[in-house]
Amino acid sequence: EPEVTQTPSHQVTQMGQEVILRCVPISNHLYFYWYRQILGQKVEFLVSFYNNEISEKSEIFDDQFSVERPDGSNFTLKIRSTKLEDSAMYFCASSEGLAGIGTQYFGPGTRLLVL
Amino acid sequence: QKEVEQDPGPLSVPEGAIVSLNCTYSNSAFQYFMWYRQYSRKGPELLMYTYSSGNKEDGRFTAQVDKSSKYISLFIRDSQPSDSATYLCAMSEGANSKLTFGKGITLSVRP
Repeated sequence: EPEVTQTPSHQVTQMGQEVILRCVPISNHLYFYWYRQILGQKVEFLVSFYNNEISEKSEIFDDQFSVERPDGSNFTLKIRSTKLEDSAMYFCASSEGLAGIGTQYFGPGTRLLVL
Repeated sequence: QKEVEQDPGPLSVPEGAIVSLNCTYSNSAFQYFMWYRQYSRKGPELLMYTYSSGNKEDGRFTAQVDKSSKYISLFIRDSQPSDSATYLCAMSEGANSKLTFGKGITLSVRP
């Protein structure tokens, strides 16, 4: 069964460093998403991406964050200068994008720890 | 008022029990309603997906949506120890719009 994959599974970085989180969405899906979950808190939406541009973003997704689809299979989230409060589980998701059907399938996540 | 509220739990039931999980929401624009299951330190796994009001059944799972009351439920029949996980409700305004999640409830099914 097709699934969303994410790498790395864990990332430890120093405050102020740049990190890139990578995702491979399900191959025929058209919408891509990033969410995060701080330990003990809700899953929160960060950004959605469709047709090579951001379609929606939350107020969390400030200038420190960027997304890119560098090729036909990968979808990346870059955090330019990490802060302690960026420590969280980051989930990538994708959906087919068919009208009226919006089931989002999630990857296993990348656990980011900023020291 | 929080956009999506979910009973905080945790919830512990004996094997074979019927489990009822609920969420309320305040945004009347939500049209799509989902239940995800999340095991510890894993990604959310889609369980049920419903558009607008009504019921949907899949095996031991039934999802109900009452838009007039802004209330959704997930029922698990004949619960099994393998159902032990955190259950998240999620909803969106459009088919491919952002999901807004509840905080999740941790269910434990005792053998």
